[in-house]
Amino acid sequence: DTGVSQDPRHKITKRGQNVTFRCDPISEHNRLYWYRQTLGQGPEFLTYFQNEAQLEKSRLLSDRFSAERPKGSFSTLEIQRTEQGDSAMYLCASSPHRSGLNTGELFFGEGSRLTVL
Amino acid sequence: AQSVAQPEDQVNVAEGNPLTVKCTYSVSGNPYLFWYVQYPNRGLQFLLKYITGDNLVKGSYGFEAEFNKSQTSFHLKKPSALVSDSALYFCAGHNAGNMLTFGGGTRLMVKP
Repeated sequence: DTGVSQDPRHKITKRGQNVTFRCDPISEHNRLYWYRQTLGQGPEFLTYFQNEAQLEKSRLLSDRFSAERPKGSFSTLEIQRTEQGDSAMYLCASSPHRSGLNTGELFFGEGSRLTVL
Repeated sequence: AQSVAQPEDQVNVAEGNPLTVKCTYSVSGNPYLFWYVQYPNRGLQFLLKYITGDNLVKGSYGFEAEFNKSQTSFHLKKPSALVSDSALYFCAGHNAGNMLTFGGGTRLMVKP
């Protein structure tokens, strides 16, 4: 399978614990995005990378959230001191990006569902 | 700021009938518009996009969408609905920027 993969698919944790999600994008895609989706809502942008550089972060990304893409391939999203309000589906997407050609189509993984008790 | 609105939380249609899922946008400059579909506990799947050119765009699974600049709309359509089309549909857009902004989603229910 050469799509975007995310791990774990489901995570249940207690409030105050730290969690980390991993995303492996499509191999030739240089852009990687994280979105958050709560039940019945549209995805909300969190952050994105071009190669290893984190180029934009949403105000939704509090200081408890950190994302990395150390070698420009896979990415991790860590949430520290989880709160019940962090319960959501965390979606990763990737896209190819070439100068002068950015149609913006994103390829999504199946998401990592976080439940904070 | 850019935004995308889907005015209907749910659309109900009988199998075999035409369906329309509405979307309006507020995007500065030339909009890039997309439709995605989401099945339960799954990620989003790309259906179609409008970048430039013909206002009627054809996509996957027999879906199409019509870009209307004067009405700032990008409604999703299908001539004959299938029960298997039942899912959550999201409209999204950007202006050649760096991130997609999504609408709140519309649940499509196709009844046999």
